[in-house]
Amino acid sequence: EPEVTQTPSHQVTQMGQEVILRCVPISNHLYFYWYRQILGQKVEFLVSFYNNEISEKSEIFDDQFSVERPDGSNFTLKIRSTKLEDSAMYFCASSETTIAGGKTGELFFGEGSRLTVL
Amino acid sequence: GENVEQHPSTLSVQEGDSAVIKCTYSDSASNYFPWYKQELGKGPQLIIDIRSNVGEKKDQRIAVTLNKTAKHFSLHITETQPEDSAVYFCAASHNTNAGKSTFGDGTTLTVKP
Repeated sequence: EPEVTQTPSHQVTQMGQEVILRCVPISNHLYFYWYRQILGQKVEFLVSFYNNEISEKSEIFDDQFSVERPDGSNFTLKIRSTKLEDSAMYFCASSETTIAGGKTGELFFGEGSRLTVL
Repeated sequence: GENVEQHPSTLSVQEGDSAVIKCTYSDSASNYFPWYKQELGKGPQLIIDIRSNVGEKKDQRIAVTLNKTAKHFSLHITETQPEDSAVYFCAASHNTNAGKSTFGDGTTLTVKP
């Protein structure tokens, strides 16, 4: 069964360092997302990406964050200068469609990248 | 923006019993309500979803009900098994930005054998 893969599974970094989290979405999917989950808390939307541009972003997704689809398979999340509060599990997700037009738009999540900022 | 409340935060049942998790949402424009199961160390996985033009949907031991007027929806798991133990999240979104789901706080379900 096709799946979303994420690397690294765990990254430890010093405050102020740049971090890039990588994702390979399911190959025929067109919509890509990043969510994060601070330990013990709810899953929070960060950003959605379609047709090589950001569709929507949350208040969390400030200027320190950026996303990119550098080639036909990878989807990356960059945090320019990490802060302690960026420590969380970051989930990439992809969907074939959105729910508009009667289609499900099911999100498929990866297993996450745990980011620890010291 | 949308706000989703989920109850209870923890739920413990005996194997074979039913489990019910309830969510309320605030944005009347929301029209898509997925439920996710998250096992330890894994990402959320969709288990069932419902759209606002339907009041109930069932898939084997899992069912979801939706009351649009009251803005609440519920997950029902019957004949629970130990492998149902996990964290369950409800979410809400609408079709103009379906990927931007607002999640509930999660319910940790424990099924005791």
